[in-house]
Amino acid sequence: NAGVMQNPRHLVRRRGQEARLRCSPMKGHSHVYWYRQLPEEGLKFMVYLQKENIIDESGMPKERFSAEFPKEGPSILRIQQVVRGDSAAYFCASSPAQGANYGYTFGSGTRLTVV
Amino acid sequence: QQQVKQSPQSLIVQKGGISIINCAYENTAFDYFPWYQQFPGKGPALLIAIRPDVSEKKEGRFTISFNKSAKQFSLHIMDSQPGDSATYFCAASRGSARQLTFGSGTQLTVLP
Repeated sequence: NAGVMQNPRHLVRRRGQEARLRCSPMKGHSHVYWYRQLPEEGLKFMVYLQKENIIDESGMPKERFSAEFPKEGPSILRIQQVVRGDSAAYFCASSPAQGANYGYTFGSGTRLTVV
Repeated sequence: QQQVKQSPQSLIVQKGGISIINCAYENTAFDYFPWYQQFPGKGPALLIAIRPDVSEKKEGRFTISFNKSAKQFSLHIMDSQPGDSATYFCAASRGSARQLTFGSGTQLTVLP
């Protein structure tokens, strides 16, 4: 009964490169959420997806960031042309389709460092 | 206003003492208030949560107190243990919105 799986755990990219972060939700969970945590700060909502649909992307930067959750495979958070300010921990969470209590489970995160 | 304000930023407590962390919110539409515990290098883990129709919820050594009129809620950790040393985040969400608004976190250190 694996939890939310995120990979890689650590990712180093040079400025201008692309970063791809992957998230496999818990078994039976069809809702995925991405959050970003800057050093010494709380988590900030980025995007909420269901299979093949972006439900709420109100927290996503307008440029360079995109997310998908295909019918098959993990959810992907993609950051194009990374800049130093993108360095942060990125957490994915998932919840069941009928999650009445709104509680969801977080993965261990991907720590992105842009050099 | 979507902010959730959390205090203190850091807290040091002796083993066996009571740890108290406070949060305040502005948006009266919030109807779900969870607390998360985060250890270094790990993701946040749900600790305990409350809805505004109750004023207190207790699970083991952890208690949430909720004051709807003051728009405040707090986490009390009784008989604090060194293993409780972690960062604690309060959060809030509203209605059908699935996103959580987090506080800025409290780094708790319990001294042995």
